[in-house]
Amino acid sequence: GAVVSQHPSWVICKSGTSVKIECRSLDFQATTMFWYRQFPKQSLMLMATSNEGSKATYEQGVEKDKFLINHASLTLSTLTVTSAHPEDSSFYICSARDRALFAYEQYFGPGTRLTVT
Amino acid sequence: DAKTTQPPSMDCAEGRAANLPCNHSTISGNEYVYWYRQIHSQGPQYIIHGLKNNETNEMASLIITEDRKSSTLILPHATLRDTAVYYCIVRERGSGTNAGKSTFGDGTTLTVKP
Repeated sequence: GAVVSQHPSWVICKSGTSVKIECRSLDFQATTMFWYRQFPKQSLMLMATSNEGSKATYEQGVEKDKFLINHASLTLSTLTVTSAHPEDSSFYICSARDRALFAYEQYFGPGTRLTVT
Repeated sequence: DAKTTQPPSMDCAEGRAANLPCNHSTISGNEYVYWYRQIHSQGPQYIIHGLKNNETNEMASLIITEDRKSSTLILPHATLRDTAVYYCIVRERGSGTNAGKSTFGDGTTLTVKP
């Protein structure tokens, strides 16, 4: 089956620094990737939709200047949390949509645990 | 995406069938029903999906009512490893702008007990 990886799986950073999280589709091409955030004991919340070669579409209430998304290739999207603060500590999950003809299924990554101290 | 409602929690005895309901009364004709589960601190795992016919795979069965306003996920012989949060999602499939875009509700926390 299709595999989506995330790197790193966990990261601790100091307040005010920036952190980059990678999302890769390992055995398929993904024109679209989605970024979610999940706080403890809560459901996944969609942050943005990342399209290869174009600007990301952010959900209402998500600061695009704080959560920078780059989807430079068909297998890689990155989420950069800029000037991180403790309230940004969360579990970040990406998913990728297989663009294969008539497929268009969505596969989730294992998540990245971000802790801002 | 259509909103789904699920009971917040359910218990099931190990070895018995777990039946998880989901209401999606505003589902549109081009939306599929998907089920995922999430074990603590992991990404969601795909279980099964369907449009209007009942579906079965090695993990589970999906029963969709004729009017498509609700569905039930059945784990035929639950094990302790099936303890997880189960999410029912409805979304478009295909090449449309919203295809693949999943909106998660609160899900059902299934606890399988020995």
